[in-house]
Amino acid sequence: DTAVSQTPKYLVTQMGNDKSIKCEQNLGHDTMYWYKQDSKKFLKIMFSYNNKELIINETVPNRFSPKSPDKAHLNLHINSLELGDSAVYFCASKAGVPTDTQYFGPGTRLTVL
Amino acid sequence: GESVGLHLPTLSVQEGDNSIINCAYSNSASDYFIWYKQESGKGPQFIIDIRSNMDKRQGQRVTVLLNKTVKHLSLQIAATQPGDSAVYFCAERSASKIIFGSGTRLSIRP
Repeated sequence: DTAVSQTPKYLVTQMGNDKSIKCEQNLGHDTMYWYKQDSKKFLKIMFSYNNKELIINETVPNRFSPKSPDKAHLNLHINSLELGDSAVYFCASKAGVPTDTQYFGPGTRLTVL
Repeated sequence: GESVGLHLPTLSVQEGDNSIINCAYSNSASDYFIWYKQESGKGPQFIIDIRSNMDKRQGQRVTVLLNKTVKHLSLQIAATQPGDSAVYFCAERSASKIIFGSGTRLSIRP
């Protein structure tokens, strides 16, 4: 009965590979996000989807492509992985107005070798 | 284990004492503020929020104070316990976007 789940939890891969991270929420929320957390714990938003539509796309290389097959899922595909992509990636979902409380998944630690 | 954020400010508190974690936010037009707690190996977890039309809000063992004049937010944790050890983030809503602060690590001394 996990609210926001991500798979895999750990991902170790070589530079140049393509990988995907999956996220699912069972909270019935309309809005989902991807965040990147670096080694200094800084959390930076990458993308936001509302009802399967992209609403926020921060300055992220176009090697990163989010896909939302339905409002409960937001997957992140990364092409041509680089060393600098190593980080923890968090998926989150949000209930609607008036609150902006986001519920985070457990994170996916990506290590690019 | 997890890498340590060496540039994270750290607050070390004796178990049982009160903790105060401070945050300076950036946008005077921000209308909503949230505190999150992130334990090692987990995602951030909501603690408490406050709207800009309030200056104080209390929860269970936690209090958030908002000073809009100086754009300052604080989180007070009463009777700090070992389970409070975590990184704490403040976040502000600005132009419909949530922006996270850089985080403070709270460490508890026995």
